[in-house]
Amino acid sequence: AQKITQTQPGMFVQEKEAVTLDCTYDTSDPSYGLFWYKQPSSGEMIFLIYQGSYDQQNATEGRYSLNFQKARKSANLVISASQLGDSAMYFCAMRERGTNAGKSTFGDGTTLTVKP
Amino acid sequence: GAGVSQTPSNKVTEKGKYVELRCDPISGHTALYWYRQSLGQGPEFLIYFQGTGAADDSGLPNDRFFAVRPEGSVSTLKIQRTERGDSAVYLCASSRGGDTDTQYFGPGTRLTVL
Repeated sequence: AQKITQTQPGMFVQEKEAVTLDCTYDTSDPSYGLFWYKQPSSGEMIFLIYQGSYDQQNATEGRYSLNFQKARKSANLVISASQLGDSAMYFCAMRERGTNAGKSTFGDGTTLTVKP
Repeated sequence: GAGVSQTPSNKVTEKGKYVELRCDPISGHTALYWYRQSLGQGPEFLIYFQGTGAADDSGLPNDRFFAVRPEGSVSTLKIQRTERGDSAVYLCASSRGGDTDTQYFGPGTRLTVL
């Protein structure tokens, strides 16, 4: 069964520093996609970055990068040069191509607090 | 607007009542998804539409929950005989339709059952 594990309930980072949010996943499907979303206190889920299981390079989107280690089944999010507006809940999610195609499985999230 | 919209933003109802939650996806997106998010947890999958048909409804918790998408665009999630345990934020998302396409979420409907 597909499963996402985020082991850090809460993280703190100093403004302008980098932070890594951990995500490990479990799937038996060889083809899948990994996603990170940001959920501010307003509640809306904001898409940040995507990594396909067959992508050779780690995904990057501005200050966000995904450290994809397929053999270890990990997909950590790295936020560089943290800003106060980065304070939010962050969710890792996975979608498969097989019998579970369509639905996303989410972790329980990590609350990030950026300190001034 | 260009994003996914959901109405109402908040719904308070009494136990036993019927509620309908509406989702208007991004124009041109063929796939539509409903999730439920309880406090402090990640979203939990409910149902997924590809066009007008439900491609996967395995996440619906019981037969009190039902969703439709009659014209392949707007969807309505219907909950009969609401229970206090149904209180949560109901999120709708849409995507272009590929298996691993990015899902874009709406702002959610906060349902409170008294």
